[in-house]
Amino acid sequence: KQEVTQIPAALSVPEGENLVLNCSFTDSAIYNLQWFRQDPGKGLTSLLLIQSSQREQTSGRLNASLDKSSGRSTLYIAASQPGDSATYLCAVRGGSEKLVFGKGTKLTVNP
Amino acid sequence: DAGITQSPRHKVTETGTPVTLRCHQTENHRYMYWYRQDPGHGLRLIHYSYGVKDTDKGEVSDGYSVSRSKTEDFLLTLESATSSQTSVYFCAISGSFDRETGNTIYFGEGSWLTVV
Repeated sequence: KQEVTQIPAALSVPEGENLVLNCSFTDSAIYNLQWFRQDPGKGLTSLLLIQSSQREQTSGRLNASLDKSSGRSTLYIAASQPGDSATYLCAVRGGSEKLVFGKGTKLTVNP
Repeated sequence: DAGITQSPRHKVTETGTPVTLRCHQTENHRYMYWYRQDPGHGLRLIHYSYGVKDTDKGEVSDGYSVSRSKTEDFLLTLESATSSQTSVYFCAISGSFDRETGNTIYFGEGSWLTVV
């Protein structure tokens, strides 16, 4: 059974800092990995999707990497801003169409 | 934003009553999902659909049923609501025909259900 772990559970940083969020998964036979952002009381917003054949994806100040063999992904946020404060979740998709989610990292960026 | 509408957005119901949540999409995506999100458990899959009238169970399907009679609608029914089903329910879709975004999953805004 696939298990997804996100460390740390919470992170507080000053504005402007570069930071890394971690995601690990137990079964490396994945189809893709997706990072989401969730604001309080809201749904999930897709940030980046990495196919199993890819090593990284970039969107603006966000960069996600994938090391399938070691079961790890990282989300790098450059020059963090208070508006980046949210919970970040990663999810992996195996052979079926189901996603398995981590429990998220709650990020607070302080002005 | 993906065209996903969940209804109702908020509902309070009594134990033992049936409840139906509706998810409507305007994107013609093949796959539709129902998740619940609870503190300490994260997001867990209840049921999903891979086409009209084609559905399958997720990891927490007990006490829930689903139906998909049209591509655009996916209904989640709590046959007899219990307090343990108090949660936030999210609908999601994926499987567009766009090569770039076809594998991306998009979420609705959520339905807050309280069972008293």
